[in-house]
Amino acid sequence: EVQLVESGGDLVKPGGSLRLSCAASDFIFSNVWMNWVRQAPGKGLEWVGRIKSRTDGGTTDYAAPVKGRFTISRDDSKNTLYLQMNSLKTEDTALYYCATAGAGCCDDAFDFWGQGTMVTVSS
Amino acid sequence: DIQMTQSPSSLSASIGDRITITCRASQSISSYLNWYQQKPGKAPKLLIYAASSLQSGVPSRFSGSGSGTDFTLTISSLQPEDFATYYCQRSYSTPLTFGGGTKVEIK
Repeated sequence: EVQLVESGGDLVKPGGSLRLSCAASDFIFSNVWMNWVRQAPGKGLEWVGRIKSRTDGGTTDYAAPVKGRFTISRDDSKNTLYLQMNSLKTEDTALYYCATAGAGCCDDAFDFWGQGTMVTVSS
Repeated sequence: DIQMTQSPSSLSASIGDRITITCRASQSISSYLNWYQQKPGKAPKLLIYAASSLQSGVPSRFSGSGSGTDFTLTISSLQPEDFATYYCQRSYSTPLTFGGGTKVEIK
């Protein structure tokens, strides 16, 4: 069964940095495009960014609010996705999910999700 | 960027009701539209992809339709486990924007 387990969430001060991880198992991680999605408390879903598979160029795309501050990377040897978050703002406070894009089917829809890791940005 | 607008933002319905949720894109997105269900404290779950394709394991009472700018998610006979928040999402081209969500509550 596909598993995605996020970790690294924490309380951090504005302007600080944090790195989130997403450990994947039971699918061919290297073949799959991966995404980060966040959800502020009591709010809707917000796409953060994605990274393509190495065979598709391994390129990244970001949502405007995080572009230039956040960096997505992947280590296919460790089946792990990362989100490096710098210059954090209070509005980055959210539950951060990783999600596969079409790991089992479904074009590039987000077919598998982790349980999320909480990031709180506060002084 | 293309905006995704869902309506209504919330609705109250009874068990057995047929309900429809609408998602409108600010520009044509062909059939690049997905629907997700999220229950409190849980991760979202994919229901429909490519506007009308049912994800494996999703009950057939869920259906999606539309193309271009206007899309709908229909639940033909609402069940107790369907009370949740539903999101549409534009796919294929970034940003992969979500709609604001529709909360389906018990009447």
